[in-house]
Amino acid sequence: EAEVAQSPRYKITEKSQAVAFWCDPISGHATLYWYRQILGQGPELLVQFQDESVVDDSQLPKDRFSAERLKGVDSTLKIQPAELGDSAMYLCASSLASIGGRLLPGNTGELFFGEGSRLTVL
Amino acid sequence: AQKVTQAQTEISVVEKEDVTLDCVYETRDTTYYLFWYKQPPSGELVFLIRRNSFDEQNEISGRYSWNFQKSTSSFNFTITASQVVDSAVYFCALKNAGGGNKLTFGTGTQLKVEL
Repeated sequence: EAEVAQSPRYKITEKSQAVAFWCDPISGHATLYWYRQILGQGPELLVQFQDESVVDDSQLPKDRFSAERLKGVDSTLKIQPAELGDSAMYLCASSLASIGGRLLPGNTGELFFGEGSRLTVL
Repeated sequence: AQKVTQAQTEISVVEKEDVTLDCVYETRDTTYYLFWYKQPPSGELVFLIRRNSFDEQNEISGRYSWNFQKSTSSFNFTITASQVVDSAVYFCALKNAGGGNKLTFGTGTQLKVEL
């Protein structure tokens, strides 16, 4: 079964260092999402891509976070410099495209999530 | 604006008991989608079900059942005859049709099933 691949699974870094996470979505999924999940909370959307274009990055702290999906396939999320409050699970997800948010026939609207990258900032 | 509330932070049950996880949502859209996801200790979010706002028919899948009531803006999830393997965090989520596919999650309910 196709999966969303993420790496690394775990990352420990010191504050002020740079850190990067990689995600490879399910083949054919045009939409890619990065979510952040702080311990004990639900995931929150950081950025959403439709192919190589950013659709929503309103919750992305742009002073230190950046995300790209240059060829519309895999994606990288970077944090520089990392802060203590960035400690969290970073989840990547992908889904089939929709038009204006409305699900196309055969599209369950399901987001398929990877196993996540757990970041600890010391 | 959209919001999902899961008031139950943690529930503990004994195996074989039935348990219901509550979910209340807020949205101004008339067309929207509701989801339940399971997050086991491994961390991966596993899709369980999606309901459309225009389909209030309840659904049963094995030991799982979902009760969708638009009148009370609720989408509750019941596990019948719970098992230890059901122990996980369960998230309810909402997506508006006009929201660009953005999924808004609740804070989750930690379910612990003990022997």
